[in-house]
Amino acid sequence: EAQVTQNPRYLITVTGKKLTVTCSQNMNHEYMSWYRQDPGLGLRQIYYSMNVEVTDKGDVPEGYKVSRKEKRNFPLILESPSPNQTSLYFCASSTSGWYTMNTEAFFGQGTRLTVV
Amino acid sequence: SQQGEEDPQALSIQEGENATMNCSYKTSINNLQWYRQNSGRGLVHLILIRSNEREKHSGRLRVTLDTSKKSSSLLITASRAADTASYFCATDAVAGNKLVFGAGTILRVKS
Repeated sequence: EAQVTQNPRYLITVTGKKLTVTCSQNMNHEYMSWYRQDPGLGLRQIYYSMNVEVTDKGDVPEGYKVSRKEKRNFPLILESPSPNQTSLYFCASSTSGWYTMNTEAFFGQGTRLTVV
Repeated sequence: SQQGEEDPQALSIQEGENATMNCSYKTSINNLQWYRQNSGRGLVHLILIRSNEREKHSGRLRVTLDTSKKSSSLLITASRAADTASYFCATDAVAGNKLVFGAGTILRVKS
C-alpha cells in the first residue's frame, strides 16, 4: 500500500529538548516536504527536498532542520523546541518535478506536537 | 502571505444538497489542486486541474478554474454525511517548488 508514515503521532515535550519527527514514504518519490498546520492559517511549508541531499527552505523554516540522506526518509528536527512550535505537522511526498507541482501529493497522518 | 483563500470559511448543509466552495489566488499558476482533510487527519488529494483546463469532473466532484479571475470552485453534488471535512485548495506558483494552501472551508453535512 502506498503510504507516507510519520512518527510519532502525538508528542508532548519541554522547551529546549531536541526532538526528531520521522517521515518515510514507500513510493520512490523524489519530492518530500514538511508543513505545519495552525488554526486559521492553513498549511505552511517548512522545508522541502527535491531529491537526496537536496533540501531548501519553505515559508517558515526558522527553528527547524531537515536532512535527506535516503530517498525514502525525510526527518524533521527541532534542535531547541519552543512553545510557538506547538502545531500539527504533516509530511508529504510526490513525484513532482522541478519548478512545477503537477502531481498529487500524498500526506502522512500528522504529528501533533505540544511544547510546554 | 497565502496564495489561496477559500470561501466560505464554514458551510453547513443537509444531506443530499449540493455544496460549493470557492478559492481565489493571487499569482499565475501551473495547476490547482483540491484536498480533503477529515478532522485531525492527513490530507487526501481530490482533483487536480491544470491552468489550461476550465472544468474537471471526478465522481460527485466538479471543479472549475477561471484563470482570468484567479479563482476556482469545488462543487460536491448530492452530499453525504461522510463528506463532512475541511476542504483546501492548493496552488503551485509558476517557477515555484511548492504547493501553497489556503486556510480551508469547513463543510458539515447534516443527516
